[in-house]
Amino acid sequence: DVKVTQSSRYLVKRTGEKVFLECVQDMDHENMFWYRQDPGLGLRLIYFSYDVKMKEKGDIPEGYSVSREKKERFSLILESASTNQTSMYLCASKDPAGPEAFFGQGTRLTVV
Amino acid sequence: EDQVTQSPEALRLQEGESSSLNCSYTVSGLRGLFWYRQDPGKGPEFLFTLYSAGEEKEKERLKATLTKKESFLHITAPKPEDSATYLCAVGGSNDYKLSFGAGTTVTVRA
Repeated sequence: DVKVTQSSRYLVKRTGEKVFLECVQDMDHENMFWYRQDPGLGLRLIYFSYDVKMKEKGDIPEGYSVSREKKERFSLILESASTNQTSMYLCASKDPAGPEAFFGQGTRLTVV
Repeated sequence: EDQVTQSPEALRLQEGESSSLNCSYTVSGLRGLFWYRQDPGKGPEFLFTLYSAGEEKEKERLKATLTKKESFLHITAPKPEDSATYLCAVGGSNDYKLSFGAGTTVTVRA
């Protein structure tokens, strides 16, 4: 089974802090994604990476950056956390040849 | 821009009461339509992929169908363990990303 693991289930950070969310997948997938999920808005794509060191902006990249130095790991960075970044963050990975994306368990981030 | 709209937002069912969820979409070059199940506090779990109009997929009490403009997820004789949020997503001409709807939260009472 594909396993996508996010480093934390719950995080509480202070406004202005630099926050790192880590995601690791064990299926050698080339494509990885970061989404945020908010009530009534569904999942919105922040960034995605189609290969190591490659990244592209999604629909809501402002205030975020990403890093992919190794194929299995994709990190989401909040440069200076703000309260409007309080959300559920979901990482996913996908084989380009396959149809579906596989998700991690999510990180519930609260910025106070 | 790809768009996905799900209805209703919430659905409360009695155990055994069959119903359907709707997913309307607009996409440039459909690569696939996906259904996911999400339990509270967890990540989405993949259910089905549909590729072309007329296609149907089944899994236990769930059946997904696809037309050129919408997809339905039919829940037959639901049980309380079917309670979850069901998400619909489309993959369009950009093969990398999925566009998601806001989801339908289904509650099945015993």
